[in-house]
Amino acid sequence: QVHLVESGGGVVQPGESLRLSCAASGFTFSSNGMHWVRQAPGKGLEWVAFIRNDGSNKYQADSVKGRFTMSRDNSKNTVYLEMKSLRPEDTALYHCVKDGGYHYMDVWGKGTTVTVSS
Amino acid sequence: QTVVTQEPSFSVSPGATVTLTCGLSSGSVSTTNYPSWYQQTPGQTPRTLIYNTDTRSSGVPDRFSGSILGNKAALTITGAQADDECDYYCVLYMDSGIWVFGGGTMLTVL
Repeated sequence: QVHLVESGGGVVQPGESLRLSCAASGFTFSSNGMHWVRQAPGKGLEWVAFIRNDGSNKYQADSVKGRFTMSRDNSKNTVYLEMKSLRPEDTALYHCVKDGGYHYMDVWGKGTTVTVSS
Repeated sequence: QTVVTQEPSFSVSPGATVTLTCGLSSGSVSTTNYPSWYQQTPGQTPRTLIYNTDTRSSGVPDRFSGSILGNKAALTITGAQADDECDYYCVLYMDSGIWVFGGGTMLTVL
C-alpha cells in the first residue's frame, strides 16, 4: 500500500526558510515522479512543483519559481521541498503526491502545515 | 498566465445527472492536457477520481465518468448521491511541464 508522510512544517516569519520532507513507501519510488500541491486555508488546491523520477527535471509554479526547489533522494525514498523567502501567501497545507504516470496526481499524503506570519 | 476555469458551484437533485466542466481562459482543452479530476470533502485529503481524460481511478464507481465536451473537459456524475456533495477540482497538464488546477466546484446535492 502506497504511503506518503510529510514532515517539516511549522510557523516561520516572512523571509525565512523551511524544508519539507516526504517519506514514501509501498511502491518503487525511483520509478515515479513526485509533486507538491498546497492548499491555503479555505482556498482551492494549487500545484507547486514536480520532479521526475530520476531528478533530472524539475518544474515549479510561477508563484514559487526562484524561491522553492524540489529535490529527491532515491536511496532514502524521500522528496524534499526547500522553501526560501517565505511570504504570508505561502501559508498552506502542503501535500506530497505520487505522480500516476499520465500527468496526474495519483496518491496523496495527508500534508504538513506551513504558516508564515510575523 | 494560464487560468483553468470551473463552475464555482453547482446544485443537483438526488438521483439526477450533473456535468461539471473544466476549461481554459484561452484555447481549448484537449486530451493532450491529460485532464484529471479530484474529489475533496471538507477537512479531508483529495481523492483521485479520473485521469487521462476518462480513466477512472481504482475503486471509483462507474457513475463517475470523464470526457471532452466541446472545448472543455467534463466530469459527469450519473445518479447523484448525498455523499457526492463536496468539492471537485480538475487539473490540466500544460506542455511546459506545468500543471494548473481549476478553482474547484462546490457541488450541492439537494
